[in-house]
Amino acid sequence: DQQVKQNSPSLSVQEGRISILNCDYTNSMFDYFLWYKKYPAEGPTFLISISSIKDKNEDGRFTVFLNKSAKHLSLHIVPSQPGDSAVYFCAASAYGGTASKLTFGTGTRLQVTL
Amino acid sequence: GAVVSQHPSWVICKSGTSVKIECRSLDFQATTMFWYRQFPKQSLMLMATSNEGSKATYEQGVEKDKFLINHASLTLSTLTVTSAHPEDSSFYICSAVQTDDYEQYFGPGTRLTVT
Repeated sequence: DQQVKQNSPSLSVQEGRISILNCDYTNSMFDYFLWYKKYPAEGPTFLISISSIKDKNEDGRFTVFLNKSAKHLSLHIVPSQPGDSAVYFCAASAYGGTASKLTFGTGTRLQVTL
Repeated sequence: GAVVSQHPSWVICKSGTSVKIECRSLDFQATTMFWYRQFPKQSLMLMATSNEGSKATYEQGVEKDKFLINHASLTLSTLTVTSAHPEDSSFYICSAVQTDDYEQYFGPGTRLTVT
């Protein structure tokens, strides 16, 4: 039972444009959400997070939006850069924020083209 | 910044042997460490939660006798894959929760290949 889903396995965006990565979840107990960037054979690198009490969090080029009623979150990257090319995972936790165990989505491979 | 290391980064072992993977928090103390596994082109799946000085808590479907976890100190947790088989070949990633700020930091991962 995949509680966190990323329905787009891949996404290609031109440099300078906006990248929008989507994530859906089913577990109502999730109250903290994170986005990670990952390269093959490496551990995930934390990008940005959002608590369920917020609907938006921004950090530089990265913005995460949370729609609790739809159980949906998205990561916006603008402007997209070639160095952003990687696999992006959304993750969710319940009762403890980032310190508790994480349930990861299936990942979206982002390719930023010149 | 908080750094988590794993050793080895890559290991090949023969079927039936055991292999130990170390996860260390280099510059912080971690009372909790997590072990994840990632199969090719799939998600990271939590295997177990490791708490210093106590027994690990395993996720449903993970064999605790096959994947032995020891968290003997605030900076070291080990995962031992016993009697490894080819289907255990995977990418194993640990993470550590810093005691001070309750942030979770990931290690670089260990690729295990069982022949």
